[in-house]
This record gives sequence, structure tokens and C-alpha cells, in this order.
Amino acid sequence: GENVEQHPSTLSVQEGDSAVIKCTYSDSASNYFPWYKQELGKGPQLIIDIRSNVGEKKDQRIAVTLNKTAKHFSLHITETQPEDSAVYFCAATSYIPTFGRGTSLIVHP
Amino acid sequence: NAGVTQTPKFQVLKTGQSMTLQCAQDMNHEYMSWYRQDPGMGLRLIHYSVGAGITDQGEVPNGYNVSRSTTEDFPLRLLSAAPSQTSVYFCASSPRQGEAFFGQGTRLTVV
Repeated sequence: GENVEQHPSTLSVQEGDSAVIKCTYSDSASNYFPWYKQELGKGPQLIIDIRSNVGEKKDQRIAVTLNKTAKHFSLHITETQPEDSAVYFCAATSYIPTFGRGTSLIVHP
Repeated sequence: NAGVTQTPKFQVLKTGQSMTLQCAQDMNHEYMSWYRQDPGMGLRLIHYSVGAGITDQGEVPNGYNVSRSTTEDFPLRLLSAAPSQTSVYFCASSPRQGEAFFGQGTRLTVV
């Protein structure tokens, strides 16, 4: 089955800095890679996704890159704000998403 | 549009008791799944379904049963609760290779 590794597990940045979270996956059949944000006491919510026929996608301050040959993908958040503080999960999907273990992002004002 | 509805939100069970966590979606999604979330372990797949009448095991299926008699509902049954099943449980639904929508979660404590 699919195996997704996510790093780092904790990321602490100053407001305005950039944050990068990296994931690798094992199953070459995966071709949909979503990123979810989970706030305290809530279920995860999609923030951005990318499909295997695309190398990069951007949505305002958030971007995702995908290297299908190397089987890794990354989330980039620029100009971080305190409200970006949350747990972020990457996932790799062929049928059902397999999630990484999550990254706790802390943005200090 | 309710999305994915999970009940209950909180539950305390005694060791050995059984219970059913309910999950319903109103988006006509083919795929439904159950995850458990434990500190530092991310979201681990318990069981999933790719359509009514079809279910399969995920990464951590032991101690849990599921069935999918309709497109909308996907209940998770704990057969004989154990303290190791203390966790937060999330139900999700999605189209194939599409965005997963999650319920609000059920926080279960087994004493």
C-alpha cells in the first residue's frame, strides 16, 4: 500500500517568514495530492491540491510543487500570518487518500 | 448542505462495551472512509468503501466493523471497546481521486 512521509513534524516561524513542508510517497499509482489544514477541534479542510500532470500550483500565499519522478511534493506558504498556525497534512491518493503524520506550524507574531 | 455529519461528538465507553459511530453524507460521493487520529500518528485509515455494498480494510482495521448499505451512510462499529481505541475518529467522503470532506470528529474515551 501507499506510504507517505512528512517533514518536519513541527515548524516554528516568525510572522512574515516563509514555511515549507515536504512529503514523499511510495505508490506510483497515486496521482492526486491534496493538502489539508486542521484547526483545533475541527476536521481537516482542503487548502490546495495538485494532480500528477501538473508540476506547480499557486493560490495567493500558498503554492504546491510536485516531482513525480522523485515521488515528492511540497507545500510553500509565504508571508505567514498567526492565523496560519495549525496542523497541516499532505496526502497521496490513488483511491482513498493516505495521509502523512502532520506538521504543526506555529507562527509567532 | 450539511456535508458529512458524524454522531456522537463525544463518547465515553467502558472496556468491553460495543457502540456504533454514525456517519452520513449528502454529496452523493462514491467513496467513504474512517480514520483515527492519535497524537503524532496523523490520520490512519481504518476501513473504507468505494460504493454501496463494497468495503475494505485500511491500515488499522482490528476491532472495528463497517457496512455500507446505502450511498449516504457508513457506520463504524466497535465490537468490544479497549483502552487502545481511545482516539478521535473522523469520517470522510470523496469522489474518486477528489477532495475528501471530513466530519467534525468523534472523541472517544475507553475507560
